[in-house]
This record gives sequence, C-alpha cells and structure tokens, in this order.
Amino acid sequence: RKEVEQDPGPFNVPEGATVAFNCTYSNSASQSFFWYRQDCRKEPKLLMSVYSSGNEDGRFTAQLNRASQYISLLIRDSKLSDSATYLCAVRPLNSGYSTLTFGKGTMLLVSP
Amino acid sequence: DTAVSQTPKYLVTQMGNDKSIKCEQNLGHDTMYWYKQDSKKFLKIMFSYNNKELIINETVPNRFSPKSPDKAHLNLHINSLELGDSAVYFCASSLDSQPQHFGDGTRLSIL
Repeated sequence: RKEVEQDPGPFNVPEGATVAFNCTYSNSASQSFFWYRQDCRKEPKLLMSVYSSGNEDGRFTAQLNRASQYISLLIRDSKLSDSATYLCAVRPLNSGYSTLTFGKGTMLLVSP
Repeated sequence: DTAVSQTPKYLVTQMGNDKSIKCEQNLGHDTMYWYKQDSKKFLKIMFSYNNKELIINETVPNRFSPKSPDKAHLNLHINSLELGDSAVYFCASSLDSQPQHFGDGTRLSIL
C-alpha cells in the first residue's frame, strides 16, 4: 500500500456543485495533515491544515478520520477558479524534522 | 518580496553537464527542502536541512549534492545530468512543524 493515496481524477463538475476528495494514508502514527492546491505549472500552495475535530474555511471543509486513516476535503459551491490539482500531505511521526509525504493529487475541473 | 525564491526558473541543458539551482527564503524558517516533481506530477522529497544540517536524504543518486551555506539558503548541484533528471524541482521551507511554503519551481529539461 502506498504511503499516501488519492484518486487522480479528473473530477469534472459544473459551477455551483459540491465535490469531495478523499486521501488515505498508511502510517497510523502520522501526526499532521494538510491540503495543498497546485495550479498548472505552478508551485503547491497551502490550502488548509486538517485538524482532528475537522475545520472549515469558507467553502472548504477538511476532516480527519484516524480510525480509517483518511482525510477529506469538501468544496461547496464550486467556482471556475477552483479548477486545480489538490494534493494531500501527511507528516509521518518517524520521518524526522517536518518532512511531508504527498499524494499524487486529485485534479478538479469546474466548468461553466 | 517573494518568500521562497529559486533561480533559475527554467534550465535547458545537455546530458552530461553539471548545473546548480539556488534557493533562498526570507521567512526566517529553520528548515529547507528540495522536492522533485516528475512528469507524472508525483512530488517527492529529496533532501531536508535544518539550521544548515542535513536531516533527510532520500534515495537520490549521489550526483545530486545539496549545500546550505546558511539557514536562509539551500542550493542543489547536479553532476553529469541524465535524461531522467528532467523534472520540476521545488524548494520549500518551514518553521519547525508548521506547513511548508514552496518556491515557484525550476523546470529542468535535459536534451
């Protein structure tokens, strides 16, 4: 099983739709979780951290399920500008200082 | 005023050459990283430095040699470039266990 796995997509949705991505991780001792957004030919940018109790930032909601070892990202009321690749990142406990393991990303395409 | 800056942004060179990529961060972070993102978009850690000390060295050919003259800089030197080295190389930095901030990447193409 890969360390961090994501459905590569693409997810094609119309504007205004709600879309959800999942990301599973294999190391049960993982301690920090993040969602990054990467636009075509750009660098990854932090979208949000994922906290144990779940957290929301505007139209974006992130959740963590430690028992099943996955994190999720929900995007409500999709905008054209949400089109990008969404990368989940996990910091394993035993990997030393602050290094992140990334999934391969899920591509989202929002159409008019 | 860019937080993490890399140079050059594009690098096109021939097989067998030696090249360097520079990275600087002005965020006051103590940890810096090099990642490689290949054509399949998989972002993989190569090296990590904390306060100029190497702490992570993944399975990377020894043709790749990072150097950190101070905690704000982490350069990457690559010897004897091969076709498989073509990728986008991202520098990143973080403070302790906070999220990482990425530079805008160096697109390396080997002819």
